[in-house]
Amino acid sequence: EAGVTQSPTHLIKTRGQQATLRCSPISGHTSVYWYQQALGLGLQFLLWYDEGEERNRGNFPPRFSGRQFPNYSSELNVNALELEDSALYLCASSLTQGSYNEQFFGPGTRLTVL
Amino acid sequence: AQSVTQPDIHITVSEGASLELRCNYSYGATPYLFWYVQSPGQGLQLLLKYFSGDTLVQGIKGFEAEFKRSQSSFNLRKPSVHWSDAAEYFCAVGAYNQGGKLIFGQGTELSVKP
Repeated sequence: EAGVTQSPTHLIKTRGQQATLRCSPISGHTSVYWYQQALGLGLQFLLWYDEGEERNRGNFPPRFSGRQFPNYSSELNVNALELEDSALYLCASSLTQGSYNEQFFGPGTRLTVL
Repeated sequence: AQSVTQPDIHITVSEGASLELRCNYSYGATPYLFWYVQSPGQGLQLLLKYFSGDTLVQGIKGFEAEFKRSQSSFNLRKPSVHWSDAAEYFCAVGAYNQGGKLIFGQGTELSVKP
């Protein structure tokens, strides 16, 4: 069974640009989560999508946004990039939240903002 | 507020020695507890989880963890460490009413001496 996949592996942007990160969940999973792992800040919850809807977002500014497509894949968009957005962005998926389900993580996208 | 504390930032053990990584959480209700492992440049791999029931849970790669409600702890153990266990280990807390997000500890980096 294929795991969570993310693309691209690495992304280099300059300050002020926009970045788009993509995630494909495990087959059968309908929930997708995004986390930011920045140096010195640890793993921070960004967004949760389920059945195409944004269900929760963490303490991040509105320039962090995303969506979930009908096939449950997801996109994270970061507008007006700042230097401190440089981080590893991890996507995770789980079965839908009828009851709590564990999250399975992808390999991440390393975003570097110059 | 919910929080997770991993008191040890870095631990070094000799190959073949036993290992215990500490995790303490703060949460009002019964949490769901997880241990993940992250190799350099990689995503997170789920080692084990606790939802309910038996407080001693077995995971992959020979790891186990014990939930102690009275101490608000969920320590990870392995009886004999292998060089390939060198990685960063994260304890995480989730809850059904937490909007899908996991709250992570700061991580413990494990080094293994030959």
